[in-house]
Amino acid sequence: EVQLVESGGGLVQPGGSLRLSCAASGFTFSNFWMHWVRQAPGKGLVWVSRINSDRSSTTYADSVKGRFTISRDNAKNTLFLQMNSLRAEDTAVYYCIRESGESRYFDYWGQGTLVTVSS
Amino acid sequence: DIQMTQSPSTLSASVGDRVTITCRASQSISGWLAWYQQKPGKAPKLLIYKASSLESGVPSRFSGSGSGTEFALTISSLQPDDFATYYCQQYTNYWTFGQGTKVEIK
Repeated sequence: EVQLVESGGGLVQPGGSLRLSCAASGFTFSNFWMHWVRQAPGKGLVWVSRINSDRSSTTYADSVKGRFTISRDNAKNTLFLQMNSLRAEDTAVYYCIRESGESRYFDYWGQGTLVTVSS
Repeated sequence: DIQMTQSPSTLSASVGDRVTITCRASQSISGWLAWYQQKPGKAPKLLIYKASSLESGVPSRFSGSGSGTEFALTISSLQPDDFATYYCQQYTNYWTFGQGTKVEIK
């Protein structure tokens, strides 16, 4: 069974940093592209970032470019999101997602971890 | 950037109703469209990919149609478990979601 379990969320002050982790199991993690998507309270889904299977390529939404860094450890089956210079508008539930091996849609989602940026 | 627009934003319906949600892309995305269902406090769940392909395990009352810029998700006979928010997503040029359609009890 595919499982994605996020951790690392919490309350952080504006300008602060946080590192999210996503532990993957039930599939060959190193074969799949992975993504982060966020959802502000009461709002819709917004794509944040993606990383390819061998870590050679990453892409970011304009809203987080230069502040967030996506990475992965294929030996430990773990995806990361390093978030720096956090702003109030980064407050959201962050989902770890597996991209389908067949195409670019999202076939498995984690349960999400809440990041709150507030003083 | 490709914008995705869903309508309606909210839909009130009864159990057994046939329900259709539409999704329009700001430019052609061919058939590269997915639909997701999200219940309160839960992660989204994949329903449909490639505009009309049903994900394994998803009930056959869900169907998708369309290509180019106009797409639809239809629930043939609404069940109590279907009251949720639905999102379309294009995946031809990065990844963009519609704003969501909440299906509520009439």
